[in-house]
Amino acid sequence: DAGVIQSPRHEVTEMGQEVTLRCKPISGHDYLFWYRQTMMRGLELLIYFNNNVPIDDSGMPEDRFSAKMPNASFSTLKIQPSEPRDSAVYFCASLGWSGSGANVLTFGAGSRLTVL
Amino acid sequence: SQQGEEDPQALSIQEGENATMNCSYKTSINNLQWYRQNSGRGLVHLILIRSNEREKHSGRLRVTLDTSKKSSSLLITASRAADTASYFCATDVMNRDDKIIFGKGTRLHILP
Repeated sequence: DAGVIQSPRHEVTEMGQEVTLRCKPISGHDYLFWYRQTMMRGLELLIYFNNNVPIDDSGMPEDRFSAKMPNASFSTLKIQPSEPRDSAVYFCASLGWSGSGANVLTFGAGSRLTVL
Repeated sequence: SQQGEEDPQALSIQEGENATMNCSYKTSINNLQWYRQNSGRGLVHLILIRSNEREKHSGRLRVTLDTSKKSSSLLITASRAADTASYFCATDVMNRDDKIIFGKGTRLHILP
């Protein structure tokens, strides 16, 4: 398995533009998580899905943020319109059973977003 | 919101020394995990300890858990330059296995 795949790895955009981040989880993992990482706030949970259904979106900062999971192998996080304070690294992670006998997260490499 | 809080925020030690990082959390949990993040990369799972366990070992890693104090520690013995990274604790929230949130992490720097 290639692991969790995120795209783009880097995105630079101007304030007001729409940004779409993409994620392909590990096949067979039923849960998918979106996190945002900044120096000031650390790693924040934005939203997570189980079997393609959003379970908890209480971490989504504003209505400008939306996330979808149309099928088990694809999810998007959209910001519209984007603002400079949205600049961060956005991580996607999927949850799967490990050899330690519990569920652990496997992270993608992240999408670094810069909003000018 | 943050569930875990790591302490210290940053730690620099000489290669070969032991590194200890601490984590405190707020709610009851089913398990606690530690992850490592190298610069510019995603987080990688290191070790998991269940709420009914007090100590766990994996190679040079030793994790302890004190549920009465809602705290955990991660010990890395005989540190190496390659251990330079940020370390995060992660917990489920209110015994919900599926909701996993992280602390702000400890930045560990191993000096040659």
